Amino acid sequence: QVQLQESGPGLVKPSETLSLTCTVSGGSVSSGSYYWSWIRQPPGKGLEWIGYIYYSGSTSYNPSLKSRVTISVDTSKNQFSLKLSSVTAADTAVYYCARLFCSRTSCFYGIWGQGTMVTVSS
Amino acid sequence: QSALTQPASVSGSPGQSITISCTGTNSDVGAYNYVSWHQQHPGKVPKVMIYDVSNRPSGVSNRFSGSKSGNTASLTISGLQAEDEADYYCSSYTRSSTWVFGGGTKLTVL
Repeated sequence: QVQLQESGPGLVKPSETLSLTCTVSGGSVSSGSYYWSWIRQPPGKGLEWIGYIYYSGSTSYNPSLKSRVTISVDTSKNQFSLKLSSVTAADTAVYYCARLFCSRTSCFYGIWGQGTMVTVSS
Repeated sequence: QSALTQPASVSGSPGQSITISCTGTNSDVGAYNYVSWHQQHPGKVPKVMIYDVSNRPSGVSNRFSGSKSGNTASLTISGLQAEDEADYYCSSYTRSSTWVFGGGTKLTVL
């Protein structure tokens, strides 16, 4: 059973960089057909897709966040990470890591981490 | 990219059926059959209920069904139960190799 667990600071100051890590257990980030993703949810609001990375390092980002986002993968640690720069209060949210499965005929988010709340405040 | 359009809220009585719509464009919902529906109870992690427009993961009740016509996907829940009360989000893959979510629909079981 694959499990994902987010970790990182719960409080970040405005203009600084938010950094989170997702540790994968019960499976490998190097497995084909899986894209390792970040999704966030501001308090009381809906889900917003941030981006994903394939184990090879190829990435895709939400155009509205692209200039501030970097997602990376560390296959040796079986982890992937999110960095979001120049944060503001609008970046306050629960951040989820999730596994996207994609084949030639199927593509969906099947496994999510528990989520971690990040507050941007001085 | 713009969020997919969902009604903010829907409601129904126990035993009834409800349908939640999810409208996108020919660059997302209309372009691929990679539309999913997630259920989220308050304070909980989203759970996939439907994937690839109409497929149900193992363990999800057959009261949940999905369909798509053109740029609009739909989630139907039949035989409404109190436990179905939750927020529902659609999502779709896009021609830009990104994903987009709907704004979410709050389902109230009366």
